Amino acid sequence: AQSVTQLDSHVSVSEGTPVLLRCNYSSSYSPSLFWYVQHPNKGLQLLLKYTSAATLVKGINGFEAEFKKSETSFHLTKPSAHMSDAAEYFCVVSEKGANSKLTFGKGITLSVRP
Amino acid sequence: DGGITQSPKYLFRKEGQNVTLSCEQNLNHDAMYWYRQDPGQGLRLIYYSQIVNDFQKGDIAEGYSVSREKKESFPLTVTSAQKNPTAFYLCASSPRRVGANEKLFFGSGTQLSVL
Repeated sequence: AQSVTQLDSHVSVSEGTPVLLRCNYSSSYSPSLFWYVQHPNKGLQLLLKYTSAATLVKGINGFEAEFKKSETSFHLTKPSAHMSDAAEYFCVVSEKGANSKLTFGKGITLSVRP
Repeated sequence: DGGITQSPKYLFRKEGQNVTLSCEQNLNHDAMYWYRQDPGQGLRLIYYSQIVNDFQKGDIAEGYSVSREKKESFPLTVTSAQKNPTAFYLCASSPRRVGANEKLFFGSGTQLSVL
């Protein structure tokens, strides 16, 4: 069975400093991994996805994530936080297969201080 | 604008009442999904549909029902059997049937509260 662990429920950074949001996964097979962002009272928007091509994945708004199989991790980073990055971030795993479903992490709330 | 429209944005349910949440998409997507979001718990799958007139239970289907009579519409009914319905409900779609690489497109959600 697949699972996702987002150990930090809340991360706070100052504007202009780096962002690191951690995600660890468990999967019996080679997984696909996603990061979604949700702004308050809105739906989710895809930031980036990993599907067994390059291990360093670049997404929208300057975010990127690196797939590390040995560490079963898929951490999300951004070199310099902007106030508009304040939102909730979800790491998602899916095992390959015709009827595979997505498993969402519990989410990380990112706060950005001026 | 292409996208997914959920209505209403806020909904209140009385004890013993069934309520229906609307989800419409004009993206011509085959697959549609309903998720429930509770604070600090991420998203949990209620039902999904990969094609018209077919749908499957997700992880927390008890107390909910759906229909998929048209490709663009996937309404969710929260029945009186759902004892803890207060949550944020998200509808999503994807171009093809459920698969590992599919990107989901989300609506803006419906907040359901019990009076």
